[in-house]
Parts: sequence; structure tokens; C-alpha cells
Amino acid sequence: KQEVTQIPAALSVPEGENLVLNCSFTDSAIYNLQWFRQDPGKGLTSLLLIQSSQREQTSGRLNASLDKSSGRSTLYIAASQPGDSATYLCAVPRDNYGQNFVFGPGTRLSVLP
Amino acid sequence: DGGITQSPKYLFRKEGQNVTLSCEQNLNHDAMYWYRQDPGQGLRLIYYSQIVNDFQKGDIAEGYSVSREKKESFPLTVTSAQKNPTAFYLCASSPRGVNGYTFGSGTRLTVV
Repeated sequence: KQEVTQIPAALSVPEGENLVLNCSFTDSAIYNLQWFRQDPGKGLTSLLLIQSSQREQTSGRLNASLDKSSGRSTLYIAASQPGDSATYLCAVPRDNYGQNFVFGPGTRLSVLP
Repeated sequence: DGGITQSPKYLFRKEGQNVTLSCEQNLNHDAMYWYRQDPGQGLRLIYYSQIVNDFQKGDIAEGYSVSREKKESFPLTVTSAQKNPTAFYLCASSPRGVNGYTFGSGTRLTVV
């Protein structure tokens, strides 16, 4: 059974810092991994989708890496801003069809001005 | 613009009543999903559908029902059998094949 964990559960940093969020999964036979952002009381916004054949994906100040063999992914946020404050969730497919994701519990990030 | 629309944004229900949450997508996605989110527990899968007129139970399907009569629509009914329905409900969709999710903005259901 696929299980996803994320550390830390919460993180508070001053504006401008670079930071890393971690995601671990138990079954390394995944098709892809997706990182989401969730603002309080809102739905989830997709940030990055990494296919199993890729090692990393970049979008602006965000960089996500994937190491299937170790069951890990990291989301790197460069030069953090107060607007980055949100909960960040990672998700991996629970089955061989590549859909039907299992979600981690999230990391709640606060970037202080 | 293509996307997923959930309605209503807020919903109040009296105990013993059934309520239906709407989810509509115009992304031409084949698969649709319903998740429940409770504080500190992350997202849990209620039901999902990979094709019209077919759906499967997720991890916490008891007390819920769905239908998938059209590709664009996947309504969720919270029945009176659901003992603790107060939660934030999220609908998502994905295209065929190995691709990621697109989420709606959610419906917050409160039982009064």
C-alpha cells in the first residue's frame, strides 16, 4: 500500500531564504509525482508534475526533484516571499494506471516579512 | 477558460438530510475524483470515476453516493448515513493516461 509522508509538518522562515520541503513514498514504482499548493480554505493548485523518467522539473523559483530508488522528492523554493505562505502537498499514484493519487499530509509554510 | 467548478462554496445541512455537491469540468478529462479533507488528516479519497457510467469506491465511501451520467459532471451526495459529514470536499479531474490532477475550489459542508 502506497504511503506518503512529508517533513517538516510546518516551517517558518524569514523572507528571502531558500528552503527545501521533503516528500517520501513507500512504493518506488510510481509513474509520476505531483506537487500542489493549497491556500487556506481553497482548492489545490498544481505546481509541478514530474514524470518517472525525469529527475527534476523547474517553474520559476520552484524546483522539484525526484529520486525513485530512494522514494524521495524535494521541492526547493528559492528566495522565498510572503506570498509563498501556504500548505504544500505532494502526491503519487496509488496504482499502475498512473491516476488515483495518494496525498501526503502537507507542509505548512509561513514566510515572514 | 477550462477548469473545474464546484458549487456551492458553502453548504449547511441539518442532521438527517441528504445533500448533493456539484462538480463540473470543461477540460474534457476522462477521470474525476472526490476527496474529503479534515484538519490534520490530509486528503482522503471518497469515490472516483474513470469513464462515464462507471465509478469505484475509494477509502471512505460509506455514507456517500455518486453518479457519472455525463463526462463533464460527477455529483456527490452526502447521505444521512454519513455520521460525521462536516468537512471540506474537493473534486478533481485528470486526462486519460499518466497525467496529473486539476482541482476545483472546494465545498465546505457544515452540519447544523
